[in-house]
Amino acid sequence: QSALTQPPSASGSPGQSVTISCTGTSSDVGGYKYVSWYQQHPDKAPKLMIYEVSKRPSGVPARFSGSKSGNTASLTISGLQAEDEADYYCYSYGDSSFYVFGTGTKVTVL
Amino acid sequence: QVTLRESGPALVKPTETLTLTCTFSGFSLSTTGLFVSWIRQPPGKALEWLTFIDWSNGKYYSASLKTRLTISKDTSRNQVVLTMTEMDPVDTATYYCARMTGYYSFDYWGQGILVTVSS
Repeated sequence: QSALTQPPSASGSPGQSVTISCTGTSSDVGGYKYVSWYQQHPDKAPKLMIYEVSKRPSGVPARFSGSKSGNTASLTISGLQAEDEADYYCYSYGDSSFYVFGTGTKVTVL
Repeated sequence: QVTLRESGPALVKPTETLTLTCTFSGFSLSTTGLFVSWIRQPPGKALEWLTFIDWSNGKYYSASLKTRLTISKDTSRNQVVLTMTEMDPVDTATYYCARMTGYYSFDYWGQGILVTVSS
């Protein structure tokens, strides 16, 4: 039971798109629709950005979108803005009530 | 308006037991499909899921920590309590409580409480 794998960092200029991957196994990401994504600014609590792979909670900008293919989920930020600079974590439900976060990705707006 | 707030000691000694309380408002933990979870984050490191309790008093624990964790709820007081035994310096972290929905996502979070383990 290991953490989901994310790239340590990603970056883009304002207005560009950035995609973050979250790789698990068929026992978690690949086997269920319960993947969510969280944004965390320094010294702040995480904030839910995407749930059930691709659904956005009320108030989350439409430039945030989620998808999944096989054992890998992805978060895409389109039209990158300065306030999107933060750490991002994925999270998945898994077999035998196994719940796990990703390793985290730091997004930098150049 | 949903809010959660963690409370407890900021400093514990190695081998001691940590007790944290999550006091929440804006929802009832007797509502079907709602859970309250504990998640921690060591300084500069990733989030780690610890445990959650559901509306029917079902309890789920991280496999790596389950021998040290106990979660309980007091529905009438809108509180969830986490105890962690045998604290070690590696357990130094910010501990968050969060509400989880039936979609297995954490939609509301507390501000977190930094717990340092040191003699």
